[in-house]
Amino acid sequence: DVKVTQSSRYLVKRTGEKVFLECVQDMDHENMFWYRQDPGLGLRLIYFSYDVKMKEKGDIPEGYSVSREKKERFSLILESASTNQTSMYLCASRLATDTQYFGPGTRLTVL
Amino acid sequence: DQQVKQNSPSLSVQEGRISILNCDYTNSMFDYFLWYKKYPAEGPTFLISISSIKDKNEDGRFTVFLNKSAKHLSLHIVPSQPGDSAVYFCAAITMSRDSQKTSYDKVIFGPGTSLSVIP
Repeated sequence: DVKVTQSSRYLVKRTGEKVFLECVQDMDHENMFWYRQDPGLGLRLIYFSYDVKMKEKGDIPEGYSVSREKKERFSLILESASTNQTSMYLCASRLATDTQYFGPGTRLTVL
Repeated sequence: DQQVKQNSPSLSVQEGRISILNCDYTNSMFDYFLWYKKYPAEGPTFLISISSIKDKNEDGRFTVFLNKSAKHLSLHIVPSQPGDSAVYFCAAITMSRDSQKTSYDKVIFGPGTSLSVIP
């Protein structure tokens, strides 16, 4: 079974703090993705990576950055958290053009 | 502007009846479509897909229909069970190229429909 894990299920941070969201997959998948899920908006792609050291902006990259130093790990970074970044963050991975496998999500609240 | 729309935010169905979840899209260049199911506090899980060259795909209780001329797809669940209660996301896939001309699939998700199956 593919396993995608995210470092935290729930996180509360203050405005201006730097936030790291970690995602690890154990199936040697090339592609990894970060989404945020908001009511009425579905899943929106923040960043994705299809190889180590590679990263591409998704649809809403503003305010975020990512790091892919190892194939199994894809980190999402909020340099200076803001209240409008309160959301559910979902990491996903997949092989090439296979379906995506999602992690359980991190519910981030920025106060 | 949303390229993938799910106009019903929620749907309630009696156990044993048919659930029909709808999805409309605007881009005729999508290559295939997927449905994901999401329970609270869990990540979405893949349910069923359909290629743009087909009009129907069936997997057990789940059937997806694609009407390309109407740019519409629907997911039918028959019979509906209480365990089907979840949020269902429609997703559309298109081939794109990144800044280095590498091909990849771009996934665009709809906003989701919350299905409640009443026992």
